[in-house]
Amino acid sequence: GAVVSQHPSWVICKSGTSVKIECRSLDFQATTMFWYRQFPKQSLMLMATSNEGSKATYEQGVEKDKFLINHASLTLSTLTVTSAHPEDSSFYICSANRAASLNEQFFGPGTRLTVL
Amino acid sequence: AQSVTQLGSHVSVSEGALVLLRCNYSSSVPPYLFWYVQYPNQGLQLLLKYTTGATLVKGINGFEAEFKKSETSFHLTKPSAHMSDAAEYFCAVTLYSGGGADGLTFGKGTHLIIQP
Repeated sequence: GAVVSQHPSWVICKSGTSVKIECRSLDFQATTMFWYRQFPKQSLMLMATSNEGSKATYEQGVEKDKFLINHASLTLSTLTVTSAHPEDSSFYICSANRAASLNEQFFGPGTRLTVL
Repeated sequence: AQSVTQLGSHVSVSEGALVLLRCNYSSSVPPYLFWYVQYPNQGLQLLLKYTTGATLVKGINGFEAEFKKSETSFHLTKPSAHMSDAAEYFCAVTLYSGGGADGLTFGKGTHLIIQP
């Protein structure tokens, strides 16, 4: 149990376009979902926290108008990178928290975004 | 705010030797501590976690870690390294606010190299 999926697993887009990444908890309801960003050979940095039905909370330095997060249901959160630029190229990883798991987060496999 | 320091960005051990990956944290309140492993181009897999109770926690693949409050440490060990242990390891900390889950703060990661 506690499987989290992400789609797509990789995407290449042109500069200026928008890209949507989906994060789904497949076999549990996620009270909270998180989005992280990982640059090559670096650690994961928390971008934002989202709760179903409410606005996401963004970490300092993360542009909320550029990284749009929608948490439409207890099993789905989406991250949209708007007007993507090459510097947005990164590995985006989501995680989902299951209420019964005492703050354990279950991670998706990640999405590799490359902006040309 | 909490932080995590992982000493050594690269650790190299011989197959069959002891693995020791160091992690120190800072936190104003008792933290929840985690070790994750990441294989290339994949998401994170939980190795083990400390929340409350026994300070020596055992995880998957023969790994274990001991929470030492006096030393603010949570070092990861494995008695005998296997080639398949070669990966990136992240120590992470979070605080349980009681009102919901909090995002994880990660260390910079340690790349474990296993020499044949």
